[in-house]
Amino acid sequence: EIVLTQSPATLSLSPGERATLSCRASQSISSYLAWYQQKPGQAPRLLIYDASNRATGIPARFSGSGSGTDFTLTISSLEPEDFAVYYCQQRSNWLTFGPGTKVDIK
Amino acid sequence: EVQLVESGGGLVQPGRSLRLSCTASGFTFDDFAMHWVRQAPGKGLEWVSGINWNSGSIGYADSVKGRFSISRDNAKNSLYLQMNSLRAEDTALYYCAKDIGAYYRGLDYWGQGTLVTVSS
Repeated sequence: EIVLTQSPATLSLSPGERATLSCRASQSISSYLAWYQQKPGQAPRLLIYDASNRATGIPARFSGSGSGTDFTLTISSLEPEDFAVYYCQQRSNWLTFGPGTKVDIK
Repeated sequence: EVQLVESGGGLVQPGRSLRLSCTASGFTFDDFAMHWVRQAPGKGLEWVSGINWNSGSIGYADSVKGRFSISRDNAKNSLYLQMNSLRAEDTALYYCAKDIGAYYRGLDYWGQGTLVTVSS
């Protein structure tokens, strides 16, 4: 089973700041990584698939990068609606999710 | 508009069975893989099972392998999850999710979930 590790567990930032979230895989997963956003009481929302492709309707301030074992989700300038939990997910060997990073307001 | 509506959740005793259903609309159901993902109260997301467009590729998380069975009926635009030998640790909100492709790529639409509580 491929294990995903996300860091940090919590990221405290202010609106307008840049957010950098990390996801590391226990073995190489090529570019088979997706990112999701989840707000309280809501279903997750797909942001990025195949490491760097934005899903339909996702703002350009969200970007993904990486390959192999190390991946990054960057939010260039945080909007108030971006404070949420973010999960990475691999599809190299079935699917697994990371434990999540909570982005909260500083 | 894509809609996914789950049903079948509820309170069930340990060791018993439950069958979840997901009815899809707003897209060509048999063009896409489908998944079940669960979330225990206050916890993260856990992929449970996935099935590709023609049921030719099916996968399960190790935690449910041998106990859960996924299936789909493309004529009815429906996805199912048969859950047997339920345990307390299966308690969670179960989401039905659509893949962006015929095989496994990413989950672009999600239902609102159906709650399964396993307790005596």
